[in-house]
Amino acid sequence: AQSVAQPEDQVNVAEGNPLTVKCTYSVSGNPYLFWYVQYPNRGLQFLLKYITGDNLVKGSYGFEAEFNKSQTSFHLKKPSALVSDSALYFCAVRDSGAHTGTASKLTFGTGTRLQVTL
Amino acid sequence: DTGVSQNPRHKITKRGQNVTFRCDPISEHNRLYWYRQTLGQGPEFLTYFQNEAQLEKSRLLSDRFSAERPKGSFSTLEIQRTEQGDSAMYLCASSPPGTFTNYGYTFGSGTRLTVV
Repeated sequence: AQSVAQPEDQVNVAEGNPLTVKCTYSVSGNPYLFWYVQYPNRGLQFLLKYITGDNLVKGSYGFEAEFNKSQTSFHLKKPSALVSDSALYFCAVRDSGAHTGTASKLTFGTGTRLQVTL
Repeated sequence: DTGVSQNPRHKITKRGQNVTFRCDPISEHNRLYWYRQTLGQGPEFLTYFQNEAQLEKSRLLSDRFSAERPKGSFSTLEIQRTEQGDSAMYLCASSPPGTFTNYGYTFGSGTRLTVV
């Protein structure tokens, strides 16, 4: 079974400071990893993904994430936070499906609320 | 095509009534997913379609829940005899074809169900 852990319910950061939102995962095969952002009463918006290749993945709105296979982590980062980044962030994982030959579902973490203040 | 469309956006129903939600995926996407999200939780997988075939169902999908995708395009999710515990945001997502698709899924804005 695949799973995702987001150990922090909330992350507080001042505008202009760097931010990190933590995520660790567990899958039986090679992981496909995703970050999504959710604003109030809205669906999830795709930020970035890791499939293969460089461990540092760049995504939308200046966000990036670092894949660390040995630590099974995929932390979301941004060098300089904005107040408008305040939202709920979800990490998600799916097995690559190489051993089944089929696409499988995304499994999400419980989310981390990012609060950026002036 | 402007993305994944879900209707209605909000639904308030009395306990015991039946409700049906609709999802229109991105037109070239052959895969469609339903998720449920309760307050303070991440989305939980309910079911998955590839074209018109329902390939996977979660144990969360009790006998009161049924999903269809009759022509491989739009999908409906019906909940019969609703209970207060069914109150949640129901999210639909779609993704394009490909055996090992590496695309992030595109989510709709969701249908918020409140059972009173």
